[in-house]
Amino acid sequence: DIQMTQSPASLSASLGETVSIECLASEGISNDLAWYQQKSGKSPQLLIYAASRLQDGVPSRFSGSGSGTRYSLKISGMQPEDEADYFCQQSYKYPYTFGAGTKLELK
Amino acid sequence: EVQLVESGGGLVQPGRSLKLSCAASGFTFSNYYMAWVRQAPKKGLEWVATISTSGSRTYYPDSVKGRFTISRDNAKSSLYLQMNSLKSEDTATYYCARRTPPSYFDYWGQGVMVTVSS
Repeated sequence: DIQMTQSPASLSASLGETVSIECLASEGISNDLAWYQQKSGKSPQLLIYAASRLQDGVPSRFSGSGSGTRYSLKISGMQPEDEADYFCQQSYKYPYTFGAGTKLELK
Repeated sequence: EVQLVESGGGLVQPGRSLKLSCAASGFTFSNYYMAWVRQAPKKGLEWVATISTSGSRTYYPDSVKGRFTISRDNAKSSLYLQMNSLKSEDTATYYCARRTPPSYFDYWGQGVMVTVSS
């Protein structure tokens, strides 16, 4: 199975700060990577797919990048509504696997 | 508006069975692969099963293979998850999700809680 190592496990950011979250795959996944946001008590929401494509309706302050085994999610200008858990997911091969998640809080 | 509404969760004893349902609306159900994803309390996400548009192909991780069965009824726009031989580690919120090509989950239901305990 492909292991997805996500870091950091948690972070705190000030309003307007730029934050980055990383995912490291145990093998190359050819950009078959998605990022999800999950607010407290809610279902996950797709933010980014194919490593860097923004899902419809997602604010442009969210961006994704990476290749091979290393991928990152960037939030350019932290907003109060961005406080949430974030997960990466590889869809390169079965079984699909998720990162353990990053808890992002507003400082 | 795409809607996915799960039902059928609850408290069940270890070794028993439970069947979850997901009612879909707002899109052409038969055109999409569908999936179940679960989340244990305070834990991360775990993919549980995927089914093809016709239902002819199904995929599972080893953790549930042989115990869980995903199925669908395109005429009713419904997705199901039959869970047998349940274990305590199956305790989780189960989400129904629409799989968009190539393999991402673009819509999720509100989730249904399954608790396996004696």
